[in-house]
Amino acid sequence: KAGVTQTPRYLIKTRGQQVTLSCSPISGHRSVSWYQQTPGQGLQFLFEYFSETQRNKGNFPGRFSGRQFSNSRSEMNVSTLELGDSALYLCASRRDREGYTFGSGTRLTVV
Amino acid sequence: AQSVTQLGSHVSVSEGALVLLRCNYSSSVPPYLFWYVQYPNQGLQLLLKYTTGATLVKGINGFEAEFKKSETSFHLTKPSAHMSDAAEYFCAVTEGAGGTSYGKLTFGQGTILTVHP
Repeated sequence: KAGVTQTPRYLIKTRGQQVTLSCSPISGHRSVSWYQQTPGQGLQFLFEYFSETQRNKGNFPGRFSGRQFSNSRSEMNVSTLELGDSALYLCASRRDREGYTFGSGTRLTVV
Repeated sequence: AQSVTQLGSHVSVSEGALVLLRCNYSSSVPPYLFWYVQYPNQGLQLLLKYTTGATLVKGINGFEAEFKKSETSFHLTKPSAHMSDAAEYFCAVTEGAGGTSYGKLTFGQGTILTVHP
């Protein structure tokens, strides 16, 4: 069974640009959440979507946004990129209260 | 509010020795607890989870963890370390039944496990 698929795997952007990351959950999983991983701050929750609705949001500025489509695929967008946005962005999907399954992540480098 | 503390950012053991990675949590509602492993340049792989029921949980690759409510702990153990266990391990908590934000995982800072031959 296919896992959580994140695209692209690597991305290099310039300060001030915007970026969109994509996540395809495991078939049948309706919940998708996003996390940012940095050496300094560790793993931090960005937001969670369930049936196209944002159900929970972490403590990130409004430059970070997301959405979920009717097929449960999700995208997150970061506008006006800053150097500090360089991180591994992880997507996770789950069905009900089962353990979250994570993708391999998108490594974003802002230069 | 939830929080997770992993004691020891680095743990080093010899191959064949006991692995013990410590995790303490705080949660205002009964928690669901998880251990994840991360290999370099990869995502997180679920090792095991505690939701309800038996407090001793067995996971993949010979790992197990015990939920101790009185100690607010969920330590990860493996009787005999293997070289392939070298990785970073994360403990995580989310609200269980009755919670309103159980979709959010709160992670500890991680413990890097080194296994010496």
